[in-house]
Amino acid sequence: QKEVEQNSGPLSVPEGAIASLNCTYSDRVSQSFFWYRQYSGKSPELIMSIYSNGDKEDGRFTAQLNKASQYVSLLIRDSQPSDSATYLCAVLNYGGSQGNLIFGKGTKLSVKP
Amino acid sequence: KAGVTQTPRYLIKTRGQQVTLSCSPISGHRSVSWYQQTPGQGLQFLFEYFSETQRNKGNFPGRFSGRQFSNSRSEMNVSTLELGDSALYLCASSLGTSASTDTQYFGPGTRLTVL
Repeated sequence: QKEVEQNSGPLSVPEGAIASLNCTYSDRVSQSFFWYRQYSGKSPELIMSIYSNGDKEDGRFTAQLNKASQYVSLLIRDSQPSDSATYLCAVLNYGGSQGNLIFGKGTKLSVKP
Repeated sequence: KAGVTQTPRYLIKTRGQQVTLSCSPISGHRSVSWYQQTPGQGLQFLFEYFSETQRNKGNFPGRFSGRQFSNSRSEMNVSTLELGDSALYLCASSLGTSASTDTQYFGPGTRLTVL
């Protein structure tokens, strides 16, 4: 059973701080990793994708991938109250001729003003 | 470019009934995937359609089925509804290439409540 693990939180950080969200995955051959943000009552919204080891930056967001440790993380710099949401880590799993996403249960982030 | 649309947004059904949900992908996207989201199990993959064919299937009972039309729109059907089928059903569209970089974009979801 391929699994994606996340700390469910809640993770509480003050406004302006760095929020660090972590994710581990079980399938060593996984190649594609995604972070989605989901506000309460809404659908997941793609924030970042990462495919190679190292860091990938997009605005206030940085995704980090370490395939040897089977570890993905998302850093949110200068956290804002509007960043308060559940963050879902997803790993692309290839079954058949097309992949499907395996999701972690999500980490709930709360940014306090 | 319009996003993924799903109808209806909310549904209330009773046990034993069946339900059909609809999803229209982003223009140009040929793959549609369906997911079920519940508080206990999180987001779980149901199935994926590409060019009117089911290419991939998750671990759900046969009561859950789907299809895709020539215009890439997809429908999902759940027969003999059970209380445990109450969930948010999400549709995601992608280009449908087999590349590892093919990204899925989610629709707003259909909230199904089974009484």
